[in-house]
Amino acid sequence: DSGVTQTPKHLITATGQRVTLRCSPRSGDLSVYWYQQSLDQGLQFLIQYYNGEERAKGNILERFSAQQFPDLHSELNLSSLELGDSALYFCASSPPGTNYGYTFGSGTRLTVV
Amino acid sequence: AQTVTQSQPEMSVQEAETVTLSCTYDTSENNYYLFWYKQPPSRQMILVIRQEAYKQQNATENRFSVNFQKAAKSFSLKISDSQLGDTAMYFCAFLLYNNNDMRFGAGTRLTVKP
Repeated sequence: DSGVTQTPKHLITATGQRVTLRCSPRSGDLSVYWYQQSLDQGLQFLIQYYNGEERAKGNILERFSAQQFPDLHSELNLSSLELGDSALYFCASSPPGTNYGYTFGSGTRLTVV
Repeated sequence: AQTVTQSQPEMSVQEAETVTLSCTYDTSENNYYLFWYKQPPSRQMILVIRQEAYKQQNATENRFSVNFQKAAKSFSLKISDSQLGDTAMYFCAFLLYNNNDMRFGAGTRLTVKP
């Protein structure tokens, strides 16, 4: 157990629908990062939050949005889903003031049918 | 923009032997960090080893060590005494100092054969 909790582990939904992925960071970590990993691909950075504020944005589609709440958990919202959005979505967290690397959750596997 | 290249999509090694995975990166910055992550079939991303660019000494973690060549922008991972549990995808990653966007390579699929 890495300490980063992601729910749900699996999600199957239809095209056009909206889903919410949830992430609880490791205790003490203020930063949350979202990554997308398509089948047999590398990880693509989507967005980062630090203590409730958006800090960095990567290749995140306009149909996707995220937020970090006062208790530091984060949610990634995916709307108007397309078949190509099927992927493994990872959340990672890191403590403040260090660059020891990110701790990843076990991911949410999203299948759009 | 920083890029990370892993030129070996797949590799295999016999159990107990040594294997080296290659990684090159491109940056004009001087202060950064490099990482190797392992992704076994469970899909969990596990940090294997970390290197700070300002340190000349190569990082080691038990059977895992790196060969960091800053001038050549190369960061290879050596796995000694390979074990069946080392079978996984290995990702090289780059992070600028005080940056928030860790960049990953495309990965190398390593298979350890009995």
